[in-house]
Amino acid sequence: DQQVKQNSPSLSVQEGRISILNCDYTNSMFDYFLWYKKYPAEGPTFLISISSIKDKNEDGRFTVFLNKSAKHLSLHIVPSQPGDSAVYFCAAGNYGQNFVFGPGTRLSVLP
Amino acid sequence: DTGVSQDPRHKITKRGQNVTFRCDPISEHNRLYWYRQTLGQGPEFLTYFQNEAQLEKSRLLSDRFSAERPKGSFSTLEIQRTEQGDSAMYLCASRITGGRNEQFFGPGTRLTVL
Repeated sequence: DQQVKQNSPSLSVQEGRISILNCDYTNSMFDYFLWYKKYPAEGPTFLISISSIKDKNEDGRFTVFLNKSAKHLSLHIVPSQPGDSAVYFCAAGNYGQNFVFGPGTRLSVLP
Repeated sequence: DTGVSQDPRHKITKRGQNVTFRCDPISEHNRLYWYRQTLGQGPEFLTYFQNEAQLEKSRLLSDRFSAERPKGSFSTLEIQRTEQGDSAMYLCASRITGGRNEQFFGPGTRLTVL
């Protein structure tokens, strides 16, 4: 039973356009959410997080949106760059405790 | 480089053998996590330590798996009597309590059991 779902295994976007990666979770008690990026042969690196008291968090080209009623979050990358090509993992849980990771979405940004 | 390091990066072993992996966290980080990742999946939590105390173990962590962090610094993960289903990437992460709740991951140890 997957508590965190990323239903798109892959996504291709043209350079300069917006990338939207989606994530759904099932546990309404989750109150903290993170996005990680992973390049081949490296461990995941933290990208951005959001707590349930917010519905949006922005960091440069990256914005995370949280819709608690729908148990859905999304990561927007604008503008997308070829260096953004990686696997993106959504993680959900409770602050200070362990997180459940989704299966990831492979983003390819085409030049 | 003061990031999380893991050793070895790759390990090939025969079924039934024991293997041990090491993780060196970022020095001031008091929490250390072990995850397993298989193809097409995200990292799955195995266990974590706060300093030298092992505070939680996943039901994924069978009796053949044991982890230690004897001095609250580096940690080892041992798998006894390896099985082909143990083949995976084993990731270590560390963090400091408080702050953004962000975990810093190492590059992982890829285990192949033949």
